[in-house]
Amino acid sequence: RKEVEQDPGPFNVPEGATVAFNCTYSNSASQSFFWYRQDCRKEPKLLMSVYSSGNEDGRFTAQLNRASQYISLLIRDSKLSDSATYLCVVNKDNFNKFYFGSGTKLNVKP
Amino acid sequence: DTGVSQDPRHKITKRGQNVTFRCDPISEHNRLYWYRQTLGQGPEFLTYFQNEAQLEKSRLLSDRFSAERPKGSFSTLEIQRTEQGDSAMYLCASSPPKGRNTIYFGEGSWLTVV
Repeated sequence: RKEVEQDPGPFNVPEGATVAFNCTYSNSASQSFFWYRQDCRKEPKLLMSVYSSGNEDGRFTAQLNRASQYISLLIRDSKLSDSATYLCVVNKDNFNKFYFGSGTKLNVKP
Repeated sequence: DTGVSQDPRHKITKRGQNVTFRCDPISEHNRLYWYRQTLGQGPEFLTYFQNEAQLEKSRLLSDRFSAERPKGSFSTLEIQRTEQGDSAMYLCASSPPKGRNTIYFGEGSWLTVV
């Protein structure tokens, strides 16, 4: 079983839409959680960390459900520039390893 | 530019040749990671260094792969006797010793084995 699983999509949404992605992780001992954004043929870049209480950064909201072992990302008022692949990332072992999901592709259409 | 630097950015090599990639982490980042990514997949962990010590190695890192970080600063990843299945983007990342425990990637080194 993979450490982190994501729906690969693609999610095709119009500009202005709200879209949500989920990911699940297998190891209940996981300690830290993140969402990264990756543009085509570029390196992943940190979008936001995910905290137990949930956190928001502008149009982006991240939630963590430890009991069910899933993480979510909500994007409100989608922009064309939000088109990318969103990677769910989980860390355990005190920073030794970060496990990445396969990513969820988002296409925002005009 | 004070980000993670990788060299070369692109490498085309013939099967059976050896290749070496170099990574210069962000200054003062003592943790360094190598990942491999193929199209449609997320990055897969290869190995992790804390300072000069290699503390973790994935079983993906076969005996043809070796990584070093001799002085705790830059790192090299060598692939010997390359195979077509080695074609991928090799990503280096670094993380600071304390504070926010996130990793910051370089732009990657694309390897094509023909």
